Amino acid sequence: DGGITQSPKYLFRKEGQNVTLSCEQNLNHDAMYWYRQDPGQGLRLIYYSQIVNDFQKGDIAEGYSVSREKKESFPLTVTSAQKNPTAFYLCASSIGAGKEAFFGQGTRLTVV
Amino acid sequence: QKEVEQNSGPLSVPEGAIASLNCTYSDRGSQSFFWYRQYSGKSPELIMFIYSNGDKEDGRFTAQLNKASQYVSLLIRDSQPSDSATYLCAVRISSGSARQLTFGSGTQLTVLP
Repeated sequence: DGGITQSPKYLFRKEGQNVTLSCEQNLNHDAMYWYRQDPGQGLRLIYYSQIVNDFQKGDIAEGYSVSREKKESFPLTVTSAQKNPTAFYLCASSIGAGKEAFFGQGTRLTVV
Repeated sequence: QKEVEQNSGPLSVPEGAIASLNCTYSDRGSQSFFWYRQYSGKSPELIMFIYSNGDKEDGRFTAQLNKASQYVSLLIRDSQPSDSATYLCAVRISSGSARQLTFGSGTQLTVLP
């Protein structure tokens, strides 16, 4: 089945640690995105990538980093510079810019 | 002004009624409009997309777009308790070098049995 897989589903991080969230898609989509969702709020764009080896900052990129070495993969690293990382992280992909985006099941990150 | 605005609700309708969800956007050059449904604790699921002015129907769902008024809505006919969720409006804005998908904060819908 085609889809977007995020792992892990739940992640706990100690303060001062970097963590990497995985996102893999087998839909052959060119564009991939990372969003953050806080309780009771909408989605805010962290980073997006329209092609391999290229990505752009979204609205809240500070404290995050990404890579896009393969079309299928778009991992997100939450660094220790991110002051308030506890949130629900959603990865999405679309066949191209302007087209509908489909989401993975999300990773819930908690700082302990 | 937020780029995409929705009434946060909660909106309550009785089972079988029509639920009307509204969204306004600020970028007049926006071309693509999407409605997502999000159950509590889950990821958003695409329900409808609309690109042209007018109505687009898919089963019990109708999306309505009025670009002159910068307004997009979602109607849910014969509402069911299983429709209870948060509905997110998303707009593909055209400003800048990339056409980002910008989300509203969502409207929480409750369908009462």
